[in-house]
Amino acid sequence: GQQVQQSPASLVLQEGENAELQCNFSSTATRLQWFYQRPGGSLVSLLSNPSGTKHTGRLTSTTVTKERRGSLHISSSQITDSGTYLCAKSNTGYQNFYFGKGTSLTVIP
Amino acid sequence: EAAVTQSPRNKVAVTGGKVTLSCNQTNNHNNMYWYRQDTGHGLRLIHYSYGAGSTEKGDIPDGYKASRPSQENFSLILELATPSQTSVYFCASGGDWGGYEQYFGPGTRLTVL
Repeated sequence: GQQVQQSPASLVLQEGENAELQCNFSSTATRLQWFYQRPGGSLVSLLSNPSGTKHTGRLTSTTVTKERRGSLHISSSQITDSGTYLCAKSNTGYQNFYFGKGTSLTVIP
Repeated sequence: EAAVTQSPRNKVAVTGGKVTLSCNQTNNHNNMYWYRQDTGHGLRLIHYSYGAGSTEKGDIPDGYKASRPSQENFSLILELATPSQTSVYFCASGGDWGGYEQYFGPGTRLTVL
């Protein structure tokens, strides 16, 4: 199937700590895209890369397609980073995405 | 600025009634998608479209229809709404072949009583 597993399901950090979010998928993927969602809010695209490492600000996305895994690293977490982080994958030849259930991140002072 | 908008943002419907959710995008993307998001299930694909005039079934199409009359507009239609269709619905548009990035609308909260 198209199962996408994210871990951990939830994470609590103190402000300034780093976070490492994992995404594993059961079949081949063309690309992983990471989204951020506030409670009751829409999805905001963070990073998207087919393989390798990509940076933007305090975020680093690493995708290892052959090993069917990806990760999102958040450095120096801030209270405003709190929310849900969703991983989605697309398949070779298709333009649909399959989503994980997300990691809920809470950053406390 | 490229954007995906949805209307209405909130809707209360009665069981058996017809509901139409609308989506408009100014990204000039060929691909558009309808998802629903429920606690415990995450985001699930209902219908999608590769361009004007096309609609395709996603993973959970039962009870839903879709319409893509133009590049910009994509509607989701519930002909006979049921309480199990109470959810938050998101529309998204996606880049063409090789792009594979999706951009989401703000969501519609639908309650079926």
